[in-house]
Amino acid sequence: GESVGLHLPTLSVQEGDNSIINCAYSNSASDYFIWYKQESGKGPQFIIDIRSNMDKRQGQRVTVLLNKTVKHLSLQIAATQPGDSAVYFCAENPNSGNTPLVFGKGTRLSVIA
Amino acid sequence: GAVVSQHPSRVICKSGTSVKIECRSLDFQATTMFWYRQFPKQSLMLMATSNEGSKATYEQGVEKDKFLINHASLTLSTLTVTSAHPEDSSFYICLPPQLGNGYTFGSGTRLTVV
Repeated sequence: GESVGLHLPTLSVQEGDNSIINCAYSNSASDYFIWYKQESGKGPQFIIDIRSNMDKRQGQRVTVLLNKTVKHLSLQIAATQPGDSAVYFCAENPNSGNTPLVFGKGTRLSVIA
Repeated sequence: GAVVSQHPSRVICKSGTSVKIECRSLDFQATTMFWYRQFPKQSLMLMATSNEGSKATYEQGVEKDKFLINHASLTLSTLTVTSAHPEDSSFYICLPPQLGNGYTFGSGTRLTVV
């Protein structure tokens, strides 16, 4: 199952610092994971993904780490900027292929200028 | 990535009326479409899955007679909220499966029932 329906936890970070957002996923069989960013009033925007055969993947200013042993996913944002303020969701694909994503509860990131 | 068009982006309707939301895949064919709902300050919850050529499948607790889903073609899926009530006010968003290539969402529809 997924952890949904709860109020969002908040992470406050000083501008320029690094942010780490964590996510615990539920299904050990999940083989594909995505981080999304959602700004107020908008749909989720793809940030970065990772497959289960990897434990780290880097993008522009973002890094995703996957620990399958403890079913944990994290998103690291380097040099956090005010424009990074948003809600971040992790999502897992419980089965390869044509199946819906299961979303984590989300974390609100607030960047303090 | 895949291009998905969803409209309307925002709709306000009176209680008891019906609202249709369309989701189109513009550059690929989707035999399946996932419909999610998001209440304020909450995560995205899967409501149902539309399937081209067959009946939609609904998640537990979602009323199939209230949320009518039709997958008319390989590029169009629609969600109709029938006899809408204020508690149906939410953000509705579609997601076609892209087999591990990012899963691009539609832009979402903010429904407000007054």
